[in-house]
Amino acid sequence: DAGITQSPRHKVTETGTPVTLRCHQTENHRYMYWYRQDPGHGLRLIHYSYGVKDTDKGEVSDGYSVSRSKTEDFLLTLESATSSQTSVYFCAITMGPLEGNEQFFGPGTRLTVL
Amino acid sequence: DQQVKQNSPSLSVQEGRISILNCDYTNSMFDYFLWYKKYPAEGPTFLISISSIKDKNEDGRFTVFLNKSAKHLSLHIVPSQPGDSAVYFCAASAIGNQFYFGTGTSLTVIP
Repeated sequence: DAGITQSPRHKVTETGTPVTLRCHQTENHRYMYWYRQDPGHGLRLIHYSYGVKDTDKGEVSDGYSVSRSKTEDFLLTLESATSSQTSVYFCAITMGPLEGNEQFFGPGTRLTVL
Repeated sequence: DQQVKQNSPSLSVQEGRISILNCDYTNSMFDYFLWYKKYPAEGPTFLISISSIKDKNEDGRFTVFLNKSAKHLSLHIVPSQPGDSAVYFCAASAIGNQFYFGTGTSLTVIP
């Protein structure tokens, strides 16, 4: 158990509403990541963070923003949710981006946008 | 454009036999590769990795083979067990950059 929790685990919301997903870690890992998993696409990186207040975009960042004000928390925000953002969202942590530092994943959040 | 591809969405194998899961990549800069296993309603869990300086890495029943010239890697599970039934993702990265994941292969091991 890598000490990663995600909240909420399930959420149903309507198009146009803001949504924030939370990832919490107890491992004091520097790097945190947000992925989405969709059929036919596997896992795709949305945003990642390499330290407090240090974030960068991933492969599919449009429509998402992130914040990291504390080492242990990484928030993913959908400012105005769309149906295309219906997905399963996974948070991951790692000591660093280099070889040998495999990512540990949280349990996921299933988001449905109606 | 999918940089890491798993062309077999599903695979069924008899218990005790070998399972071979395949993965192809297009980016020649990738030099670190991993396999993850995922059960329903859970996050992926790390299984095994291989660096581009090697062509084989073994961990118990799991062996990963890397063919750099063909840009191909494979995961061998032998002997396969019913508890191995899961979705398997391969992932690749260039050092210091993000990981790119394949679309996954659903393995069913038949008792």
